[in-house]
Amino acid sequence: NAGVIQTPRHKVTGKGQEATLWCEPISGHSAVFWYRQTIVQGLEFLTYFRNQAPIDDSGMPKERFSAQMPNQSHSTLKIQSTQPQDSAVYLCASSTSGTGQLYFGEGSKLTVL
Amino acid sequence: QQKVQQSPESLTVSEGAMASLNCTFSDRSSDNFRWYRQHSGKGLEVLVSIFSDGEKEEGSFTAHLNRASLHVFLHIREPQPSDSALYLCAVSSLYQGGRALIFGTGTTVSVSP
Repeated sequence: NAGVIQTPRHKVTGKGQEATLWCEPISGHSAVFWYRQTIVQGLEFLTYFRNQAPIDDSGMPKERFSAQMPNQSHSTLKIQSTQPQDSAVYLCASSTSGTGQLYFGEGSKLTVL
Repeated sequence: QQKVQQSPESLTVSEGAMASLNCTFSDRSSDNFRWYRQHSGKGLEVLVSIFSDGEKEEGSFTAHLNRASLHVFLHIREPQPSDSALYLCAVSSLYQGGRALIFGTGTTVSVSP
């Protein structure tokens, strides 16, 4: 079992550029979660999917952030017109169901210059 | 909205001494509690999950839940230097159909030899 795979592990973008982060959940897991982690705010919930359908996006910033899950094997988090305050580690997690144990990837560290 | 807070912010303990971490939550209907650990630059590792009042032991980690007082504790028995990490408390409410876990800001534990 390879665990949750996130790519890229590190990404540096210039202000105003777009960043796309990828997540491959554990095979057979039906729920995928996205979190953002910073020193100041800690681990913040962004959004989650169950059986590829968006269930709760209450943590997503209203502008510039979007998440998709086009198939059961991957999800993407896209940030348009990145800003320095978007710099963070973005963590993806999956579980067998929306209430089960979450298994986390090692994160994608985004740095916006 | 669920609020999760942890204390202390940081903790230094000697190898072999008991370490105790505190987590408070705001939603009395919460019934899904998990403690995670995160080593620097790594993903989250689940330590122990607890769903009813009382204690749950997993290896050297014991979670103690008291929902009446809105507290869940983590005790680390005989910690080793390798247990130095960020410890995160996460809380959710199962009845909400799998709402995502909300995390506290963490306690940084340092174990000195």
